[in-house]
Amino acid sequence: EAQVTQNPRYLITVTGKKLTVTCSQNMNHEYMSWYRQDPGLGLRQIYYSMNVEVTDKGDVPEGYKVSRKEKRNFPLILESPSPNQTSLYFCASSDRVYNSPLHFGNGTRLTVT
Amino acid sequence: RKEVEQDPGPFNVPEGATVAFNCTYSNSASQSFFWYRQDCRKEPKLLMSVYSSGNEDGRFTAQLNRASQYISLLIRDSKLSDSATYLCVVMNSGNTPLVFGKGTRLSVIA
Repeated sequence: EAQVTQNPRYLITVTGKKLTVTCSQNMNHEYMSWYRQDPGLGLRQIYYSMNVEVTDKGDVPEGYKVSRKEKRNFPLILESPSPNQTSLYFCASSDRVYNSPLHFGNGTRLTVT
Repeated sequence: RKEVEQDPGPFNVPEGATVAFNCTYSNSASQSFFWYRQDCRKEPKLLMSVYSSGNEDGRFTAQLNRASQYISLLIRDSKLSDSATYLCVVMNSGNTPLVFGKGTRLSVIA
């Protein structure tokens, strides 16, 4: 089944403890992206990647890192999480950016205390 | 002016009603347009692309007005299952990421 898989679905952590949210897609998509969604603010893009070893900042990259060492995986790294990073995170992928639908993962609800 | 703007709603409509949402975009060079649907606490899913000539998929009709820089979504004969948030999505050029509106919340009431 074609899908984007994020893990974990739920995560509660403490300020400053490094964490990684994994994202994997099995559709051989070139484009992958991370979003966070907060009430009243909608979906905001954190980082995106057009292809392997190519990553770019989105609208809200501060406090996050990503890597794209292989096509299928696009992990999101929070080196030192803070409470303002408490949010619902979505990973997404598409075949190409232009005119292709985005396929989203199920989401990761992160709480930083 | 924000890049993509939507009326946040909520729109509360009775079953069977026809409801329309508009979405305005600021970049006249925008090339591709989409409507996504998002159920509460779930991931967004593509509802339909929006083509220049307008397009229809069952009870859903999407239209693009380039002169006034807006897209619209019309839902006819609303069902309870149509209750969701509808996200307007715009792509500005071939290699730039999609821009999401904040969404319009629809509640269809029995």
